Amino acid sequence: DVKVTQSSRYLVKRTGEKVFLECVQDMDHENMFWYRQDPGLGLRLIYFSYDVKMKEKGDIPEGYSVSREKKERFSLILESASTNQTSMYLCASSWGQGDTQYFGPGTRLLVL
Amino acid sequence: AQSVTQPDIHITVSEGASLELRCNYSYGATPYLFWYVQSPGQGLQLLLKYFSGDTLVQGIKGFEAEFKRSQSSFNLRKPSVHWSDAAEYFCAVGALTGNQFYFGTGTSLTVIP
Repeated sequence: DVKVTQSSRYLVKRTGEKVFLECVQDMDHENMFWYRQDPGLGLRLIYFSYDVKMKEKGDIPEGYSVSREKKERFSLILESASTNQTSMYLCASSWGQGDTQYFGPGTRLLVL
Repeated sequence: AQSVTQPDIHITVSEGASLELRCNYSYGATPYLFWYVQSPGQGLQLLLKYFSGDTLVQGIKGFEAEFKRSQSSFNLRKPSVHWSDAAEYFCAVGALTGNQFYFGTGTSLTVIP
């Protein structure tokens, strides 16, 4: 079975802090994704990566950056957390274009 | 532009009743089609997917979905709902080019005992 793990289930941070969310997949997938999920807005793509050190902006990249130094690991970085970044963050990975995405359990981030 | 529409924001059914969740998509060719389920506070779990071939696909937990090209629909069905099926359901479309993946906004299912 594909396994996607996220470093934290719950995080509480203060405004202005730098926040790292880590995601690891164990299936040698080429593609990895970061989404945020908010009530009434569904899932919105922040960034995705189709190869090591490669990244593409999604629909809402502002205020976020990403890093993919190894194939299995994809990090989401909030350079200076703000209260409007309080959300559920979901990581996913997939083999190919448009292929099945496998999700981690999510990280619920609260920024105070 | 590509899009996925789930017209029902919330559905309530009685336990043991049948269920149908609607999904319509807009895409230039036949895409990959998916249904996911999300329990509260959890990530998304794949229920089933359609890539090609038989238009009626079977998934986990007794769910099935039917692809209807003429209607650009991929509706999810279950003949008898269980209380544990209460969750959020997402329809998704995978584009064959451009590494694109589109989600609907979800349908929340409540099951009444």
